[in-house]
Amino acid sequence: QQQVKQSPQSLIVQKGGISIINCAYENTAFDYFPWYQQFPGKGPALLIAIRPDVSEKKEGRFTISFNKSAKQFSLHIMDSQPGDSATYFCAASRGETSGSRLTFGEGTQLTVNP
Amino acid sequence: DGGITQSPKYLFRKEGQNVTLSCEQNLNHDAMYWYRQDPGQGLRLIYYSQIVNDFQKGDIAEGYSVSREKKESFPLTVTSAQKNPTAFYLCASRDTTNIQYFGAGTRLSVL
Repeated sequence: QQQVKQSPQSLIVQKGGISIINCAYENTAFDYFPWYQQFPGKGPALLIAIRPDVSEKKEGRFTISFNKSAKQFSLHIMDSQPGDSATYFCAASRGETSGSRLTFGEGTQLTVNP
Repeated sequence: DGGITQSPKYLFRKEGQNVTLSCEQNLNHDAMYWYRQDPGQGLRLIYYSQIVNDFQKGDIAEGYSVSREKKESFPLTVTSAQKNPTAFYLCASRDTTNIQYFGAGTRLSVL
């Protein structure tokens, strides 16, 4: 079964701290790993994504770390801000032959306290 | 203003009624998707379409139907066969770099 497991379910961080969310996958055919950010009552928006040919990707305060052998990837939010409070979803897909279908993790509700 | 437009924002379904959720995109994307989101759960794929006049079932297609007669439009019908329809429904389209863009969602409740 194509699953993506995400942890923790919820996370509380102080302003300026580091938020870390982890995901693990089973299907080695996955070749695209995005992270989405969702605010209450809104649709998810792409935050950052990585392909398995690199081990790390950084965009501003957001970094994805990717461990292909362990089939794990994580999102690090540096200098977390109250405006980062949202639900974060990891996802994975395996190319256009499968319709580039995204399989989502269960989500992590991040709260950043001021 | 380009993007995905979902309507209505809120929808109520009576027992035995079919309801249709609208999804329109002006991004010129070939592929479109419907997801269902329940509290504390990730998004689950209902149906997807890679091209006009073609669509495939996702992981939870039972009780739902779709059509793709135009590139811009991918409506979802929640039929009376869907016994637990209360959820947040999200439509998305995908660009050539594999990024999926989501609409603002429709929240469906049962009266």
